[in-house]
Amino acid sequence: DAGVIQSPRHEVTEMGQEVTLRCKPISGHDYLFWYRQTMMRGLELLIYFNNNVPIDDSGMPEDRFSAKMPNASFSTLKIQPSEPRDSAVYFCASSWSGTGNEQYFGPGTRLTVT
Amino acid sequence: KQEVTQIPAALSVPEGENLVLNCSFTDSAIYNLQWFRQDPGKGLTSLLLIQSSQREQTSGRLNASLDKSSGRSTLYIAASQPGDSATYLCAVDSGTYKYIFGTGTRLKVLA
Repeated sequence: DAGVIQSPRHEVTEMGQEVTLRCKPISGHDYLFWYRQTMMRGLELLIYFNNNVPIDDSGMPEDRFSAKMPNASFSTLKIQPSEPRDSAVYFCASSWSGTGNEQYFGPGTRLTVT
Repeated sequence: KQEVTQIPAALSVPEGENLVLNCSFTDSAIYNLQWFRQDPGKGLTSLLLIQSSQREQTSGRLNASLDKSSGRSTLYIAASQPGDSATYLCAVDSGTYKYIFGTGTRLKVLA
């Protein structure tokens, strides 16, 4: 398996623009997680899905953030409108409930909002 | 609310040393604990997962132990190598599938 795939790897955008981050989980995994990592706050869970259904989005910072999982092999995290404080590395991870939530991370998307 | 702490924040050792990284958590009612390494500019690589019913897990030169009653986990690295240089993170799941991450220990192994 290719592991968790994220695109783009780097994104530079101007304040106010819409940003869409993409994730393909490991085939067969039933949980998908979106995290954000910054120097100040470390790794924070934003939202997670089980069998394509959002379970907990309490970590989503505000209404400008939204996430979808239309099928088992694809998820998006959207920021609209983007702000400079959204600059961070965004990670997607997936796991299978049969292995006790051992999470596998993608390489991340480094977002810079100017 | 679960809090996860990793001490020390940074560690520098000569090659060949055995070393221990620490992870402490405030709520002992955990489902599992996972150790990761993160290389600069990269994603997280899973090292070991310890479920709540287990006391330790081993993989190669790595051994992770779990003591729920004291709220501690340790990651033991035997015969350290320069390639082990990375940031090591522990993450705790209290049964909700939501990981709480520690702030990490930045390890540098000197050749």
